[in-house]
Amino acid sequence: QVQLLQSGPGLVKPSQTLSLTCAISGDSVSSNSAAWNWVRQSPSRGLEWLGRTYYRSKWYSDYAVSVKGRMTINPDTSKNQFSLQLNSVTPEDTAVYYCVRRGPAGQFDYWGQGILVTVSS
Amino acid sequence: DIVMTQTPLSSPVTLGQPASISCRSSQSLVHSDGNTYLSWLQQRPGQPPRLLIYMISNRFSGVPDRFSGSGAGTDFTLKISRVEAEDAGVYYCMHATELPLTFGQGTKLEIK
Repeated sequence: QVQLLQSGPGLVKPSQTLSLTCAISGDSVSSNSAAWNWVRQSPSRGLEWLGRTYYRSKWYSDYAVSVKGRMTINPDTSKNQFSLQLNSVTPEDTAVYYCVRRGPAGQFDYWGQGILVTVSS
Repeated sequence: DIVMTQTPLSSPVTLGQPASISCRSSQSLVHSDGNTYLSWLQQRPGQPPRLLIYMISNRFSGVPDRFSGSGAGTDFTLKISRVEAEDAGVYYCMHATELPLTFGQGTKLEIK
């Protein structure tokens, strides 16, 4: 059974960096058949895919246009986890952030518990 | 980006009766590998989304068989054969055919 456990602060000041971590159990961040995603949810944007990282003989990352240039997703093989960093946040980045595994059949099958991140001074 | 449009946005359903939710994509969800990466998710209040159906019609582990998915190309349907109280929540379709992955706006299922 795969489990994803998220950690990170719930309050970030405008212009600062939002950092979240997703610890994986029951699978490996280096899996050749999975991809590790971040999704956020807000009343104004609904569910929004932000980006992913995955390993296929080497590491790859992809990002949504809305956050490209501000977001970095990094795998940490020593701790079997992956992280999200979103720079220069604004109140529009306020949302519940989820980490999600994408399985080999394209399914978003395992979700973290979610963290509400509020951007406010 | 592929736009996912769900109908209805809200659906009151009587306990024990069937329910149906439609999802239409702005372009075909058939991937170059021949698969169609269309999934359905259920979200209960205060919880993360939960995978119900993937690749149009495959039930995820532990999902009751009253849930079924069908469709092809750009038109897809989630059906619940007999609604139970625990089925209340918001249902989303999503695709994973190309980047960016996108989600429908959600359909709220209310149990009468």
